[in-house]
Amino acid sequence: GAVVSQHPSWVICKSGTSVKIECRSLDFQATTMFWYRQFPKKSLMLMATSNEGSKATYEQGVEKDKFLINHASLTLSTLTVTSAHPEDSSFYICSARRLAGGWNEQFFGPGTRLTVL
Amino acid sequence: AQTVTQSQPEMSVQEAETVTLSCTYDTSESDYYLFWYKQPPSRQMILVIRQEAYKQQNATENRFSVNFQKAAKSFSLKISDSQLGDAAMYFCACKGQGAQKLVFGQGTRLTINP
Repeated sequence: GAVVSQHPSWVICKSGTSVKIECRSLDFQATTMFWYRQFPKKSLMLMATSNEGSKATYEQGVEKDKFLINHASLTLSTLTVTSAHPEDSSFYICSARRLAGGWNEQFFGPGTRLTVL
Repeated sequence: AQTVTQSQPEMSVQEAETVTLSCTYDTSESDYYLFWYKQPPSRQMILVIRQEAYKQQNATENRFSVNFQKAAKSFSLKISDSQLGDAAMYFCACKGQGAQKLVFGQGTRLTINP
């Protein structure tokens, strides 16, 4: 099966610092990766769509200067939360869409829990 | 654009019994896909079942089946012979064929009573 990893699985940081979260497709190439945010007991909220080699497309209301997304290769996308504040504390999930085969299923990473003190 | 609505925030069922989770959707796309995802306490999203809108036959995966009513824009999930491991959040989702992104419903928390 297709595996997507995220690193770190959890991170605690001080207010004002920046945090980078990595999303990797381990056994397939992904032209498109997605970044979601999930609040406790809530649904997944799409933040941005990341296409390899091009700028990410952000959803309405998501600050692109605060949530920097880089999709440098077909297997790696990163989300950097810049100048993090307590309200950025959340669970961040990435998914990767497989390049070839079938109907381009999305595979999800295990998520990263960010706590900003 | 798509919208997905799950009107049941929580459901519970006795182990070994059958439960149905409801989902309605709206889309302007003529071709689209519908999905049910499971999110257990580990938070890892797992695809349970998918349905291509152009297919009339309801999708089935072992104990999981759907009731796809295209005209009513309804897509319910039936779990037969419920097991303790089925306890999770279940999300219904929709994707237009030409679209990249999934649109999720609000989720239904399923509890299995032993």
